[in-house]
Amino acid sequence: NAGVTQTPKFQVLKTGQSMTLQCAQDMNHNSMYWYRQDPGMGLRLIYYSASEGTTDKGEVPNGYNVSRLNKREFSLRLESAAPSQTSVYFCASSDLGRHNEQFFGPGTRLTVL
Amino acid sequence: AQSVTQPDIHITVSEGASLELRCNYSYGATPYLFWYVQSPGQGLQLLLKYFSGDTLVQGIKGFEAEFKRSQSSFNLRKPSVHWSDAAEYFCAVGLTGNQFYFGTGTSLTVIP
Repeated sequence: NAGVTQTPKFQVLKTGQSMTLQCAQDMNHNSMYWYRQDPGMGLRLIYYSASEGTTDKGEVPNGYNVSRLNKREFSLRLESAAPSQTSVYFCASSDLGRHNEQFFGPGTRLTVL
Repeated sequence: AQSVTQPDIHITVSEGASLELRCNYSYGATPYLFWYVQSPGQGLQLLLKYFSGDTLVQGIKGFEAEFKRSQSSFNLRKPSVHWSDAAEYFCAVGLTGNQFYFGTGTSLTVIP
């Protein structure tokens, strides 16, 4: 099993450009999450999806959109990138039956110039 | 406000010394508690977790943590630190539904 995979691993954008970060999990988990990690701030939840077909805002949703394409895939889209969105983005998945234990992907390092 | 607090931003220990990383939470009910480790440039790996029962839990890589309800704490310990333990450590709290909160992390440096 690959667990949680993310693409791309690195990306550089110019201000105003758009892009989509991809995430997939093969653990048959119902819930998926997108976090951003910034120095000194830990991980902050951007959006999550409790199940296929549902999405909800987290702590820092502004400037992002998400799509739960199917049970395996959960994508994060930046419509018009801003320098404040320079960060490391992590996707995670969990199964409520395991008390929300989260399994993480390797991350995407995004720089917006 | 509800929160997860890791009061130590950075800790330096000598190889072979003992380690304790602090974590406090402020939620009404006893939450599910986790410690994750992040090596440089990597994702987060689960070290250990507490759901219920024995308040001293064992994890991977020789780590353990003790849940103390009276102190709302879940401190991580290791008797003898190895150079490979240098990393960022995150305490996390899981609540009902999909609520999951991380502390801001403690960076561990191990000196020879």
